[in-house]
Amino acid sequence: GENVEQHPSTLSVQEGDSAVIKCTYSDSASNYFPWYKQELGKRPQLIIDIRSNVGEKKDQRIAVTLNKTAKHFSLHITETQPEDSAVYFCAAINNNAGNMLTFGGGTRLMVKP
Amino acid sequence: DAGITQSPRYKITETGRQVTLMCHQTWSHSYMFWYRQDLGHGLRLIYYSAAADITDKGEVPDGYVVSRSKTENFPLTLESATRSQTSVYFCASSERGQAFFGQGTRLTVV
Repeated sequence: GENVEQHPSTLSVQEGDSAVIKCTYSDSASNYFPWYKQELGKRPQLIIDIRSNVGEKKDQRIAVTLNKTAKHFSLHITETQPEDSAVYFCAAINNNAGNMLTFGGGTRLMVKP
Repeated sequence: DAGITQSPRYKITETGRQVTLMCHQTWSHSYMFWYRQDLGHGLRLIYYSAAADITDKGEVPDGYVVSRSKTENFPLTLESATRSQTSVYFCASSERGQAFFGQGTRLTVV
């Protein structure tokens, strides 16, 4: 089955700096890669996703890139703000073989004011 | 997000007791999932369901039972609760890969 590795496990940045979280996946058939943000005590919420026919996707301060050859994808947050502090999870899925998401281990992002 | 709800939000139970966590979604999503979240372990899949009457094991299914007689409901039962099952449990539903999570149930087994 799919295996998703996520790095780093914790990341501390100064407000205004950029943050990058990286994930690798094992199943070359995976074709959908969502990112979830989980604030303390809350449920994970989808913040951005990318499908395998696209190399990059942007939404305001967040962007995701995908390298299918290398089987890795990354989340980029620019101009970080204290409210970006949360745990971020990447995931991978093969839509053509069911909808079972495999999650990375999570990254705790701390943005220091 | 209001389309998927879990109950109860908090539960304390004793070792050996049976407890059922409820999950209800209003979107008619085919897929539903149960995850547990423990400190340092991220989200681990317990069971999932592709449709009514179709369920399958995830990464950590031991000690849990699920059923899905209707598309909208996916209850999770701990047959004989153990302290190691103290955790936060999240239910999710998905269509085309986009998963939406319930608000979670914090279960404590004493």
